[in-house]
Amino acid sequence: DAMVIQNPRYQVTQFGKPVTLSCSQTLNHNVMYWYQQKSSQAPKLLFHYYDKDFNNEADTPDNFQSRRPNTSFCFLDIRSPGLGDAAMYLCATSRLWTGISNEKLFFGSGTQLSVL
Amino acid sequence: DAKTTQPPSMDCAEGRAANLPCNHSTISGNEYVYWYRQIHSQGPQYIIHGLKNNETNEMASLIITEDRKSSTLILPHATLRDTAVYYCIVGYGNNRLAFGKGNQVVVIP
Repeated sequence: DAMVIQNPRYQVTQFGKPVTLSCSQTLNHNVMYWYQQKSSQAPKLLFHYYDKDFNNEADTPDNFQSRRPNTSFCFLDIRSPGLGDAAMYLCATSRLWTGISNEKLFFGSGTQLSVL
Repeated sequence: DAKTTQPPSMDCAEGRAANLPCNHSTISGNEYVYWYRQIHSQGPQYIIHGLKNNETNEMASLIITEDRKSSTLILPHATLRDTAVYYCIVGYGNNRLAFGKGNQVVVIP
């Protein structure tokens, strides 16, 4: 049973046309993350929510925004997609903070975004 | 912030044990070491994690050196399905996990 669900699996948008990617989770986890993964590169953290507290990475472009209306859902909004934003976008969750706690990340299958 | 160093790629023989090294010489005393793998075009999959002691689960074993500056992930009997990019990850500021470049492991028949 899928626990972190990302829709759609593939998304095509036009240059400059706003696009929203969605993520839902059935784990009731407190933390939700968005990673960007470009071809042949490692996933790069964009931002994350601890409950309703939003935490942006310092180098995440302003073009990327996020919303978390409730515990289960989190959205990634790209206001004006450029060709360089074509990538796999990965959503992940964790019960509590990771790194210095005995917690792990649970990933969705990702949304592959193409920008034409 | 702790960082990890892995070989960019390695091959291993099907049916043999695969030993994947990772250096994390700047790891802090309370930071865990995590291993994930990513099969092409899928989300990363959790394998194992540990703090100080060696760990084993149904997928793999994790050996952490006493000084915690390096670790080895052991896949006991590699199969073709184990071909993937393997990421060794430690935490960094504010309890996030940052991925390094990973190790592309190819299991050869």
